Amino acid sequence: EVVLTQSPGSLSLSPGVRATLSCRTSQTINSDHLGWYQQKPGQAPRLLIYMTSHRPPGIPDRFSGSGSGTDFSLTISSLEPEDFAVYYCQLFGSSPLFSFGPGTKVDFK
Amino acid sequence: HVQLQESGPALVKPSETLSLTCSVSGDSISSYCWSWVRQPPGKGLEWIGHRHCNGRNDYNPSLKGRVTVSIDTSKNLFSLRLSSVTAADTAMYYCASYNIGAAGTVFDYWGQGTPVTVTS
Repeated sequence: EVVLTQSPGSLSLSPGVRATLSCRTSQTINSDHLGWYQQKPGQAPRLLIYMTSHRPPGIPDRFSGSGSGTDFSLTISSLEPEDFAVYYCQLFGSSPLFSFGPGTKVDFK
Repeated sequence: HVQLQESGPALVKPSETLSLTCSVSGDSISSYCWSWVRQPPGKGLEWIGHRHCNGRNDYNPSLKGRVTVSIDTSKNLFSLRLSSVTAADTAMYYCASYNIGAAGTVFDYWGQGTPVTVTS
């Protein structure tokens, strides 16, 4: 079983600043199977990043993903008011087949 | 593009079986791979079960054989059955999917979720 750990658990930031969220895996993983989601209160998760660093259509380019091995990150280059949310990383291929990290909450400072 | 809508009872009694359906519109259900994901109040996301694009099913071992997922291609429905429910199964339940040809095994499409409370 691969365990996902996200840090920090929460982040208080101001609009316009850069945010870097971490997702660490307990074992080396295939980076093709790592993604990130954004979830706002009362809404379903929204896919932000797939295959560690690819953005789906419609996702702003201020969102970027990177990493390899056991260390992965999601960076928001300049926070917009609508970016305050909870962010989850997700892995495919371990046990359980799909797993989510515990999340990082980004809130307004 | 494909749209997903979950439905089912909002209240379920302990020890009973929870049954939910996900209605798929805008495309053929057979063009996608399907999962159920849940989120207890105030907590994170937990994967429940998956219907692979090849028809095979996989389940979260933590749910200890209580889960069954299935597809009705004639009705474009994806279903979940969770037996012997307890209060710990109280959550928002989402169906989620990705296209057969998609790159990466992540969920592009999500329903809005349906809340389920287990209570006597």
